[in-house]
Amino acid sequence: GQQLNQSPQSMFIQEGEDVSMNCTSSSIFNTWLWYKQDPGEGPVLLIALYKAGELTSNGRLTAQFGITRKDSFLNISASIPSDVGIYFCAGPDTGNQFYFGTGTSLTVIP
Amino acid sequence: NAGVMQNPRHLVRRRGQEARLRCSPVKGHSHVYWYRQLPEEGLKFMVYLQKENIIDESGMPKERFSAEFPKEGPSILRIQQVVRGDSAAYFCASSRTGNNSPLHFGNGTRLTVT
Repeated sequence: GQQLNQSPQSMFIQEGEDVSMNCTSSSIFNTWLWYKQDPGEGPVLLIALYKAGELTSNGRLTAQFGITRKDSFLNISASIPSDVGIYFCAGPDTGNQFYFGTGTSLTVIP
Repeated sequence: NAGVMQNPRHLVRRRGQEARLRCSPVKGHSHVYWYRQLPEEGLKFMVYLQKENIIDESGMPKERFSAEFPKEGPSILRIQQVVRGDSAAYFCASSRTGNNSPLHFGNGTRLTVT
């Protein structure tokens, strides 16, 4: 199956700092999704990307659909304590499966 | 997560018992997906269903696991004769059209097999 690799695996940052994380796939995707998961909860959709090169923002979050269509990036500006959680990228294969990345765990130190 | 309802939130079963996990999708969504998540890991696809049809079950173990999404009522993930290795969080997601439309997740059912 598809391999979605996220990096970094974990991040420890100071409140107010900016955060960057990325996701790479072994093949081309036509859609990239970014989710955040809090402990004990289900993933919540943050941003959806549908076009190579697309740059989309949602508040302090900005995500980009890589030109090669094999990668995507998520940036969080001016981090706050509630940004803590695990961030997952996801994309569909040519069938119906959505594959999820390995996750980036974010810890924000007040 | 508003809209996708899963129950129960927590389920404890002894080895050999059956586990039934329920999922009601967002109103108007006819596509349901089930995922499994082990601690500290990502989500693994299990099965994709539309009303009354299994579209893709390639992620589902061949034995003991089954899923349905009847015309009326919630989608059900059924695990027969549970073993300790079945302990995990099981998440249901729904989408409006399939076709790469984003998935909306429930809060999961945490299954513990003792």
